[in-house]
Amino acid sequence: DVKVTQSSRYLVKRTGEKVFLECVQDMDHENMFWYRQDPGLGLRLIYFSYDVKMKEKGDIPEGYSVSREKKERFSLILESASTNQTSMYLCASSPRVRNYNEQFFGPGTRLTVL
Amino acid sequence: DAKTTQPNSMESNEEEPVHLPCNHSTISGTDYIHWYRQLPSQGPEYVIHGLTSNVNNRMASLAIAEDRKSSTLILHRATLRDAAVYYCILREVQGAQKLVFGQGTRLTINP
Repeated sequence: DVKVTQSSRYLVKRTGEKVFLECVQDMDHENMFWYRQDPGLGLRLIYFSYDVKMKEKGDIPEGYSVSREKKERFSLILESASTNQTSMYLCASSPRVRNYNEQFFGPGTRLTVL
Repeated sequence: DAKTTQPNSMESNEEEPVHLPCNHSTISGTDYIHWYRQLPSQGPEYVIHGLTSNVNNRMASLAIAEDRKSSTLILHRATLRDAAVYYCILREVQGAQKLVFGQGTRLTINP
């Protein structure tokens, strides 16, 4: 089974803290994605990566950065957490093969910023 | 990204078929139609996708209108475990391989 794992299911941080969300996939996928999900707004893409050390901004990159040093790992970084970053964060991966882009999602990390 | 329109919610009974509609009148010729679902407290999971022809897999069937401006996800025999939010998404062949999720349809299954 394809496995996408995220480092925490629940996380509570304080305003101004630096926050790292880790995502690991075990299927040798080239593409990895970070989304956030908020009630009434659906899933929105923050950043994605199509190869090691490559990254592209998604629709809402402000306040976030990412790191992809190894193919299996994609990290989302909140440099200085703010209360409006309280959300569910979902990581996904997919193979690069064109036209076959089923994305496999992790279970999500519910982040609360106080 | 082309937009999709789905009903906010639907309800059905266990062991009955469910037809989940999706309108995508601005679909382009190269857009694939994807369906994902999200069970409570889980990340989304892939259900099915298609381009022009109807598609079947172990989870569901996808019926695509001839003009491609609408599609229907069919669950042939709903179970309680099919209760989820179902998302209809258009995906371009070219460009970034991102999925743009709308609000989806919340499906309730009655025992």
